[in-house]
Amino acid sequence: AQSVTQLDSQVPVFEEAPVELRCNYSSSVSVYLFWYVQYPNQGLQLLLKYLSGSTLVKGINGFEAEFNKSQTSFHLRKPSVHISDTAEYFCAVRATGFQKLVFGTGTRLLVSP
Amino acid sequence: EAQVTQNPRYLITVTGKKLTVTCSQNMNHEYMSWYRQDPGLGLRQIYYSMNVEVTDKGDVPEGYKVSRKEKRNFPLILESPSPNQTSLYFCASSVGQQETQYFGPGTRLLVL
Repeated sequence: AQSVTQLDSQVPVFEEAPVELRCNYSSSVSVYLFWYVQYPNQGLQLLLKYLSGSTLVKGINGFEAEFNKSQTSFHLRKPSVHISDTAEYFCAVRATGFQKLVFGTGTRLLVSP
Repeated sequence: EAQVTQNPRYLITVTGKKLTVTCSQNMNHEYMSWYRQDPGLGLRQIYYSMNVEVTDKGDVPEGYKVSRKEKRNFPLILESPSPNQTSLYFCASSVGQQETQYFGPGTRLLVL
């Protein structure tokens, strides 16, 4: 079985500052990794995904994430955040060959002016 | 426009009154799934369907039913809702092993 840990439930940051949202996973098989964003009162939108190949993945809105197999991590980063990045961010994992997505508990990013 | 739709978006009901939340996708996806989102718990899978007439339990199936009579529709049924089913529900669909899951806008349910 797979599991995902997002240790930070909330991350406050000032506008234009860099941010890193942490995600660690556990799995006995190979996995695909995803980051989803949920803006207030909206559904989930895919930010980026790692399936194979380059471990540095670039997504929408200037976000990127790096897959680190040895540390079983998939941290999300952005060099300079905007007020509009305020949202909840979910890391998710899916075992290769299966469709089921397992989500972390989410990290709320609060960007202040 | 490719999308997953859910209805209703908001629902207030009382304990024991049967309800159905509909989910429909227009992308010809084989795989569909229902999740519930609760504070501090993230999203948890309720049921999923690999194709028409093929459904299986997820992590929290108790109190829910589903059906998949057509490829595009995957309704979630609460035969006798209880207050612990108050939650935000999401439907999702995808095709293929490497494809992204697309999520509906969510249905916020309050059971009194």
